[in-house]
Amino acid sequence: AQTVTQSQPEMSVQEAETVTLSCTYDTSENNYYLFWYKQPPSRQMILVIRQEAYKQQNATENRFSVNFQKAAKSFILKISDSQLGDTAMYFCAWYGGATNKLIFGTGTLLAVQP
Amino acid sequence: DAGVTQSPTHLIKTRGQHVTLRCSPISGHKSVSWYQQVLGQGPQFIFQYYEKEERGRGNFPDRFSARQFPNYSSELNVNALLLGDSALYLCASSFDTYARYNEQFFGPGTRLTVL
Repeated sequence: AQTVTQSQPEMSVQEAETVTLSCTYDTSENNYYLFWYKQPPSRQMILVIRQEAYKQQNATENRFSVNFQKAAKSFILKISDSQLGDTAMYFCAWYGGATNKLIFGTGTLLAVQP
Repeated sequence: DAGVTQSPTHLIKTRGQHVTLRCSPISGHKSVSWYQQVLGQGPQFIFQYYEKEERGRGNFPDRFSARQFPNYSSELNVNALLLGDSALYLCASSFDTYARYNEQFFGPGTRLTVL
């Protein structure tokens, strides 16, 4: 069975600085996707960034980038130039095989301080 | 275009009661998935439906059931409610389930409180 682990329950960063959120996963599948989702307080979950496991190049979306290490089963989110609006719960998620479902980690609560 | 909508927003029930949660997917999306998010945890997969057929089921008891209608909207039903069913129930829609990957778009959720 697939598992996703986020070992940082809470993180804090100063506005304009860079922060990294960690995620490790376990799977026997070879083809899968990894995601970071953002869930702001009392607002709905949105996709931040997606990485396809067969692609060696790390995904980038504006201020958000990932460090994907397939052999180590590590998927790190890097947020550059942090903004107050980045304050949210961040979930790492796995998708693949024949499961037709997202498997989420327990989340990291990120607080961006002014 | 409207995103995924869910109703009701909040719901309070007592133990043993039944509840029905509703979800309308994004126009053109044919697949709906349901997730349960207990406070302080990540969402857990409950069901996925595509073209009115169940395509996936998570580790939830038979008290949980769902269905999808011809217009692709969906209902999640929970019978004999327990205190532990208190959670945010999320609906996500995607275009289909057969492509290599389909992004799932989440609704705002229904907050269920069981007393």
